[in-house]
Amino acid sequence: KAGVTQTPRYLIKTRGQQVTLSCSPISGHRSVSWYQQTPGQGLQFLFEYFSETQRNKGNFPGRFSGRQFSNSRSEMNVSTLELGDSALYLCASRREGNEQFFGPGTRLTVL
Amino acid sequence: KQEVTQIPAALSVPEGENLVLNCSFTDSAIYNLQWFRQDPGKGLTSLLLIQSSQREQTSGRLNASLDKSSGRSTLYIAASQPGDSATYLCAVTPSLGAAGNKLTFGGGTRVLVKP
Repeated sequence: KAGVTQTPRYLIKTRGQQVTLSCSPISGHRSVSWYQQTPGQGLQFLFEYFSETQRNKGNFPGRFSGRQFSNSRSEMNVSTLELGDSALYLCASRREGNEQFFGPGTRLTVL
Repeated sequence: KQEVTQIPAALSVPEGENLVLNCSFTDSAIYNLQWFRQDPGKGLTSLLLIQSSQREQTSGRLNASLDKSSGRSTLYIAASQPGDSATYLCAVTPSLGAAGNKLTFGGGTRVLVKP
């Protein structure tokens, strides 16, 4: 069974630009969550989608948004990029109430 | 608000020694607790999942215990090997409900196993 996949793996952007990251969950998993990992703040929850609906949202500004499609694939978007948005963005999928599986992440660098 | 703590932040042991990694959480209303491994610059690999009704879970050289009442979990890795060098993270899922599947992570313990 294929694992969680994320594209692209690496991104370099400049301040003020916007970026879209993609995540394909494990087949059969309807819950997709996004996390940001930085050396200073560790792993922080961004949001969770289940059956195309945002079920939970972390404490991030409105520049961070996401969506989920009918095939459970998810995208997250960050607008008006800031230097502090440089991070590893991780996507995870799970069947309800069960083990959460993470993708390899997208490394975003904002210059 | 749930807070998860892992102490120490870093640990160095000689090869063959058993590893003991600690995780504590402030709110005992959890649905499950999961241990992960992360290699530098990589994603998270799930090691063990313990449901709130369980006391421990085992997989090969790994054993994790859970004591909800005291808000603690311990990951034991027997006979450590250099390949066990990584950062180990624990994370809790709150009891099912409005919080959904949000994981709250500890800061991790960086482990170095010396040959």
